[in-house]
Amino acid sequence: GNSVTQMEGPVTLSEEAFLTINCTYTATGYPSLFWYVQYPGEGLQLLLKATKADDKGSNKGFEATYRKETTSFHLEKGSVQVSDSAVYFCALIRLDTGNQFYFGTGTSLTVIP
Amino acid sequence: DVKVTQSSRYLVKRTGEKVFLECVQDMDHENMFWYRQDPGLGLRLIYFSYDVKMKEKGDIPEGYSVSREKKERFSLILESASTNQTSMYLCASSLPRTPYEQYFGPGTRLTVT
Repeated sequence: GNSVTQMEGPVTLSEEAFLTINCTYTATGYPSLFWYVQYPGEGLQLLLKATKADDKGSNKGFEATYRKETTSFHLEKGSVQVSDSAVYFCALIRLDTGNQFYFGTGTSLTVIP
Repeated sequence: DVKVTQSSRYLVKRTGEKVFLECVQDMDHENMFWYRQDPGLGLRLIYFSYDVKMKEKGDIPEGYSVSREKKERFSLILESASTNQTSMYLCASSLPRTPYEQYFGPGTRLTVT
């Protein structure tokens, strides 16, 4: 089956610290991988995506590389800001078999000044 | 500005009641989704619809039904609410050509007592 496992939180970092949130996946076929972010009081929104192996998704200073050999899609940011405080969800979709997403459990990040 | 709205942010219902959760999107999207979000379980797909009057079961459809009579509106129905349906319910929409780019509403927190 298809599934996503991401590191448990909560994660608390000081401003300008380096961020890594781990995500690994299990999937048959050729999934596409995504990170979604949920800011306090808001709906989830797409942060970045990678549709095939070795692709790097990037947005707002965040990056993640689709690594098929390690079945991973870790989220990184070199210098976090207070405004990055949110819950981050790793997800995969099998575009060849339909529109069903598989989301991770979410990792809460708090950045303190 | 694209928008997905949900009828209530908070809802309290009694066991056995019939509950309607409404979702409206203004982006003319064909695809619409209902998820529930629970701590430690992430988001799980209940139902999705790829067109008016069309629906597909997700991972956890038991105890739920849906209705899509108009393109912009997707309703989730709890036929007889139970306490284990206490959860955060999220609606989302997307275009068929970009099913991974889902736009989420703010969610409805349903409590069944």
